Amino acid sequence: GQQVMQIPQYQHVQEGEDFTTYCNSSTTLSNIQWYKQRPGGHPVFLIQLVKSGEVKKQKRLTFQFGEAKKNSSLHITATQTTDVGTYFCAGPGSSNTGKLIFGQGTTLQVKP
Amino acid sequence: DTGVSQNPRHKITKRGQNVTFRCDPISEHNRLYWYRQTLGQGPEFLTYFQNEAQLEKSRLLSDRFSAERPKGSFSTLEIQRTEQGDSAMYLCAGTREMNTEAFFGQGTRLTVV
Repeated sequence: GQQVMQIPQYQHVQEGEDFTTYCNSSTTLSNIQWYKQRPGGHPVFLIQLVKSGEVKKQKRLTFQFGEAKKNSSLHITATQTTDVGTYFCAGPGSSNTGKLIFGQGTTLQVKP
Repeated sequence: DTGVSQNPRHKITKRGQNVTFRCDPISEHNRLYWYRQTLGQGPEFLTYFQNEAQLEKSRLLSDRFSAERPKGSFSTLEIQRTEQGDSAMYLCAGTREMNTEAFFGQGTRLTVV
């Protein structure tokens, strides 16, 4: 079945270092969404990418959608302790109902 | 606060008991999804409603699970004869249109002992 995979599973960085998480889909995606889940919290939408090769920035966060629309990445420049949490990518399921297929997430820990 | 409310936030139940969770989505969101999330994993799709119609159910949703969305407003998810493997966070999410931002509730954490 359709799968979305993320690496790494965990990342520990020193505050101020950069962080990147990678997302790969087994199928071509019409769009990809990214969510952040703080410890003990629920997923919160960050961004949606739709176009092949699209790059979007939100302050220190840079999101990319691959040319083949099967992979994506999230890069955080100069991490802060507020960046702690688990970052998920998610693509639409093949059933065309709008359900999301989530990756297993990358958990970011930031040491002050 | 996403505006999506889930109750209860936590539920501890004994194996074999029935439990019911409730989700109150944002009123404009006619699309409602239930997901299950276990530790260290991303949310997994369970079922989808468009208004009051249940249009898709995952194979994860065994016959012990049932969901409803009467009148296309709030939704309930019931688990009968709970098993320890049902222990998870149950998340509800709503969207205004397909392939748009999903607004998640805070979830119901179920522990089956």
